[in-house]
Order: sequence, then C-alpha cells, then structure tokens
Amino acid sequence: GAVVSQHPSWVICKSGTSVKIECRSLDFQATTMFWYRQFPKQSLMLMATSNEGSKATYEQGVEKDKFLINHASLTLSTLTVTSAHPEDSSFYICSARAETDTEAFFGQGTRLTVV
Amino acid sequence: DQQVKQNSPSLSVQEGRISILNCDYTNSMFDYFLWYKKYPAEGPTFLISISSIKDKNEDGRFTVFLNKSAKHLSLHIVPSQPGDSAVYFCAASAVTGGGNKLTFGTGTQLKVEL
Repeated sequence: GAVVSQHPSWVICKSGTSVKIECRSLDFQATTMFWYRQFPKQSLMLMATSNEGSKATYEQGVEKDKFLINHASLTLSTLTVTSAHPEDSSFYICSARAETDTEAFFGQGTRLTVV
Repeated sequence: DQQVKQNSPSLSVQEGRISILNCDYTNSMFDYFLWYKKYPAEGPTFLISISSIKDKNEDGRFTVFLNKSAKHLSLHIVPSQPGDSAVYFCAASAVTGGGNKLTFGTGTQLKVEL
C-alpha cells in the first residue's frame, strides 16, 4: 500500500507551548488528508479534514483555533496544537487519500504528552 | 451517536482456528467499508475493503462479508496466527454521496493464542 509518514512519532512539551506534527504522503499525491485523535481504549475520532490549498473542515467540538491545520501541498499537511495543555495529551494520527482512491492510508501516529 | 459499532471489545482465538470479527452500522448511506489493523502506538494498517455492490471480498487469509439488509459486516481470518493479535477497526464511508470521511468503530482486540 501507499506510504504515509508522520513526524515526530512522539513528543513531550511543556504546558502553554505549541507543537507541530507533520504528515507526508511519500509515494502519492494526497488531495485530502485527515487528522484523528485516539484516547486510550477508544476509537479513532476524526478531528478535521483538509484539502490541498483550502481551509480545513473541522468536526463538531474541535477548536479550530487550537488545532491549526495546514495542507499547503499535495504531499504535506501539518497539525499544530497551540498553547498545549495536559488534556491535549493523546495519540494523533493522520491519514491521506488520493483523489481517485477510496482507501485512506495512515501515518504511524504521534504520541503527544503535555507536562 | 455511534454509527459504526463493534460490540465485542475483545476476542480470543487459538492459533490455526478462524477469527470472526463483527461490525454493525446504522447509516444506510454508507457504501464502502474497510477493515484496519492497529498495533499499540502505531497508525492503523489497511487490511481489506468491500463496496456495497458486493457481499464478499477475499484477500489471502482475510475475507470480508457484507450483509446490507442487516447492516452488518464481518472479517474472517483463517487460519489465525499469533501475529494477527492486534486491535481491529472497521470503518465506513459514504462514497456515492460525495463523502470522504471514514467513520470508525470502537475496535476489537484480537488475541491469537498458541
């Protein structure tokens, strides 16, 4: 299958700082990228959908000013957690989908711990 | 409202036997279904998918069955291997309606024992 690379795989940051997570599709052009969050023993919860060159669409309850998403190119989307707090600690996963495909391929995830 | 449900949080199967993971959905607009496998601290890995125009899709040891009238799908793994131990998520999408989001179930932890 296609390769989606997510970086970093884990990060620890201080409360109040911002953290940027990158998601890259390595061998295909992803017109749509998705950002998910997973709490322990729970399902993947979609946070937002981003299309290349346009604003992200956020799911209900997700603060767009806190979780900034940029999809500047067909191979890169970034999620920035601004002014992180301990409750933002979670496992964040991106996925990417090519225009003609219906399968979404996932990055390896980022474990964020805010202390 | 949980539109995709996996009612069994865990399943234990002996090596070599069949593993059957179940998934139910409520949204009749869903027309494309996928199964993903996930290890701890990793992103999900795509396993197999099925379109609503089919009722079965097979790929090696993995077979997915879809019963549209019952809004039910299942993943069969045979023979089960210890390396299959992971959390399995089913996901659904409404492709025809122009949707491109995946709605995930809550996952089933499969443990394949020797």
